[in-house]
Amino acid sequence: GAGVSQSPRYKVAKRGQDVALRCDPISGHVSLFWYQQALGQGPEFLTYFQNEAQLDKSGLPSDRFFAERPEGSVSTLKIQRTQQEDSAVYLCASSPWGGGYTFGSGTRLTVV
Amino acid sequence: DAKTTQPNSMESNEEEPVHLPCNHSTISGTDYIHWYRQLPSQGPEYVIHGLTSNVNNRMASLAIAEDRKSSTLILHRATLRDAAVYYCILSPLIGNKLVFGAGTILRVKS
Repeated sequence: GAGVSQSPRYKVAKRGQDVALRCDPISGHVSLFWYQQALGQGPEFLTYFQNEAQLDKSGLPSDRFFAERPEGSVSTLKIQRTQQEDSAVYLCASSPWGGGYTFGSGTRLTVV
Repeated sequence: DAKTTQPNSMESNEEEPVHLPCNHSTISGTDYIHWYRQLPSQGPEYVIHGLTSNVNNRMASLAIAEDRKSSTLILHRATLRDAAVYYCILSPLIGNKLVFGAGTILRVKS
C-alpha cells in the first residue's frame, strides 16, 4: 500500500501478557520511529531506526519494551508483561532520508 | 529540544480563515518549524514546514516572524474536515525525532 500500515488496529491484553505490534513502513523509507500516545496527550517518542540500526531508544519507558527492525523494513514493538499504564495508542512513522514523516493510524492497546 | 507554546484550543467558523499561533523563543539556527495535525482516531499528518521564509502549499501557509521566535499556520478557508489537533514542532530537517507538545485543538463550526 501507499501508506504506513500498523497491525493489529486494536489489541486487548490481560495484565502480564506479552504483546507484539507490527509496523509496515513505506517501501524504501530509511527512518522508522515508534511513538506512544496516551489519551488526550501528544505522541511521545519511544525509539528510532535508521535501516536496521536502532540509533535511539531513549524513550522506551522500561526494559519491558523492545523494538526490532531486522531487515530494515518491517518493525515490531514488543511489550513484555504488560501493565495497565501501557494502555495507549502506539504510532509508527517512517520517512525517506531528509524527508517528511508519514504516520500510521496506530495500534490501540488496552491492558485489562 | 527547543520548546513551543501553543494555545490549548481555538474555534473557527466554516469557510473563514484560521490563524494558529506558535511561540518558540528558544529556537536554534538549525531548527526547522514543522506543523502536523491529527484528526480523530488517526496518526499525525504532515501539514507544512519552513526555516526562515514564508511557505505555501496546497494545505496551508506558514508565516514565520523575522526573528523566528514565532510562527503562524494559516488555513485559508476552514472546513469541517480541518477540525483536528495541530502541533507546532521544532526539529532539524533530517532524521530527527519529533517532540510533540499538547498542540492546539481546532474546532470548526458550521
